[in-house]
Amino acid sequence: DQQVKQNSPSLSVQEGRISILNCDYTNSMFDYFLWYKKYPAEGPTFLISISSIKDKNEDGRFTVFLNKSAKHLSLHIVPSQPGDSAVYFCAALASGSARQLTFGSGTQLTVLP
Amino acid sequence: DAGVIQSPRHEVTEMGQEVTLRCKPISGHNSLFWYRQTMMRGLELLIYFNNNVPIDDSGMPEDRFSAKMPNASFSTLKIQPSEPRDSAVYFCASSLVLAGNYEQYFGPGTRLTVT
Repeated sequence: DQQVKQNSPSLSVQEGRISILNCDYTNSMFDYFLWYKKYPAEGPTFLISISSIKDKNEDGRFTVFLNKSAKHLSLHIVPSQPGDSAVYFCAALASGSARQLTFGSGTQLTVLP
Repeated sequence: DAGVIQSPRHEVTEMGQEVTLRCKPISGHNSLFWYRQTMMRGLELLIYFNNNVPIDDSGMPEDRFSAKMPNASFSTLKIQPSEPRDSAVYFCASSLVLAGNYEQYFGPGTRLTVT
């Protein structure tokens, strides 16, 4: 049972345009969400997070939007750069219980120059 | 800060051999996590420690897997005996668990190949 789903295994975007990566979750206990970026042969790197008390969090070119009623979050990258090409993982946890992260399967983003 | 350190980065071993993976968390962090990444199952949590105490090992596949954290700066994940289906990338992550702070910081991983 996949509690965190990233339905798009890959996404290609032109440099300078917006990249939108999507994530859906099923567990209503999840109240904290994170995005990680992963380059080949490296560990995942924390990118940005959002608590369920917010619906938007912004950090430079990266913005995460949370729609609790739809159990959906998205990561926007504007403008996209070739260095953003990586696998992006969505993760979620229920802060009131154990602190385990549940990860999605990842989306490979390719930013074309 | 050196970040989370894992060794070895690559391990190739034969079926039936014992394998030990090592992790040094970020200094000051109080939680440590072991993950496994495979094509079939993605990133899955194996076990995590809080203040050196194992909290949840429900993700450990079977008794062949064991993990220890003898002190705040070192942890091991052991597989004995290893099998080809254990081939995967194993990540260690650490975190400073504070109210409202849940970010985990990952090491570079150990790529294990069991032939």
